[in-house]
This record gives sequence, structure tokens and C-alpha cells, in this order.
Amino acid sequence: DVKVTQSSRYLVKRTGEKVFLECVQDMDHENMFWYRQDPGLGLRLIYFSYDVKMKEKGDIPEGYSVSREKKERFSLILESASTNQTSMYLCASSPNAGTGGDTDTQYFGPGTRLTVL
Amino acid sequence: GQSLEQPSEVTAVEGAIVQINCTYQTSGFYGLSWYQQHDGGAPTFLSYNGLDGLEETGRFSSFLSRSDSYGYLFLQELQMKDSASYFCAVQTGGFKTIFGAGTRLFVKA
Repeated sequence: DVKVTQSSRYLVKRTGEKVFLECVQDMDHENMFWYRQDPGLGLRLIYFSYDVKMKEKGDIPEGYSVSREKKERFSLILESASTNQTSMYLCASSPNAGTGGDTDTQYFGPGTRLTVL
Repeated sequence: GQSLEQPSEVTAVEGAIVQINCTYQTSGFYGLSWYQQHDGGAPTFLSYNGLDGLEETGRFSSFLSRSDSYGYLFLQELQMKDSASYFCAVQTGGFKTIFGAGTRLFVKA
């Protein structure tokens, strides 16, 4: 079974703090993704990576950065946390080339619920 | 812009059938997927349609009409454990998938 793990289930931080969310997958997947999930808005893509050290902006990258130094690990960084970044953050991975098909199925981690006070 | 539309809530009775519709407007299209998410859990993959027609997996079926930019998820013999949120998602190419806002399914006894 594919396993995607995230470093914390719940996190509380203060405005202005630098926040690191870690994600690890154990299936040698090429692609990794960070989403945030808010009620009524579904999942919105923040950043994704299709290879080590490669990253692409998603739909809502402002206020975030990412790092992928190893294939299995993808980190989301909030440089200076703000209250509007309070959300559920979901990491996902997928095995293939982004051209559609079952191999683009995404496997999600359990999520990190981040509260910024 | 790109958008996926699906109902926000659906309620059905245990043992019955339910259909959750999804219409999409995207700049690229490689396929339509469905994911299930229970409260407090991670989204999990249910089905994928790359071509027009019906795909069946046990009690779940999914349909796609590319010409109508429309698909649906069909659940039969509903069980209480099917109470969850269901997301349609379009693979737009270039590694990106766009998700709908989700449909919350309530299954009543």
C-alpha cells in the first residue's frame, strides 16, 4: 500500500512564525503536491513537484514556498504565517507523467490542521 | 477560468441509490476522477474515466460524457459507511488536477 505521512496532525502557530510542514511518501513516486482544503472550496493546489529539486506553482502559491531535496520528501514552508493561512493542509503523491490515466491517481496523507493565532 | 460544479449536499436512504453529478469547464482535459473523504480522513481514490462511458467498480460506477463536459458518480445499495464527501477532479495535464468543492452525502437509516 502507498503510504503518505505528514509530520503533524494538528499544529498551532502564531502570526509571523515560520512554519514547516513535512510530507514523506514511501512508493518512489515522481510527483508530489501540496493542497489546502477549506470548507466550500474543495482542494486548492499550492505547489507541486515532478522531480527532485523541481517545483511549480499551483493556483494559490502566495505566502508559501516548497522544498524537495529528496524524492520521498516534500516540504511546505510558510515564511511568515498569517491568520488567513489557517486551514487543513494535504500532501499527495502520484507515480506518473501527468498525461492522464490511472497512474495520475493521487495518494493523500492524513492532513495537517494548522491554526494560526 | 476553470471550474467544476457539483451539488454541495445529497441525502439518501440506506439501501437506495444516489447519483452525484459533476460538470466541468477546464482548459485541458485528460480524465475525470472521483475521490471519497470521510470526516477527519484523507481523500481516497474511487474511480477514473478517461473515455466516454461507464466504469463499474463494485457498488460504485462512474460515467463520463466528454462532449457534454459532464460526469457522475453512481452509488448503489447505499450503506451508512458511504456517508462522506465526494470530490470530482479533472486531470488537466501538466501534472495538475483540479478538484470540485465536494458533495457531502448523508445516508439515513
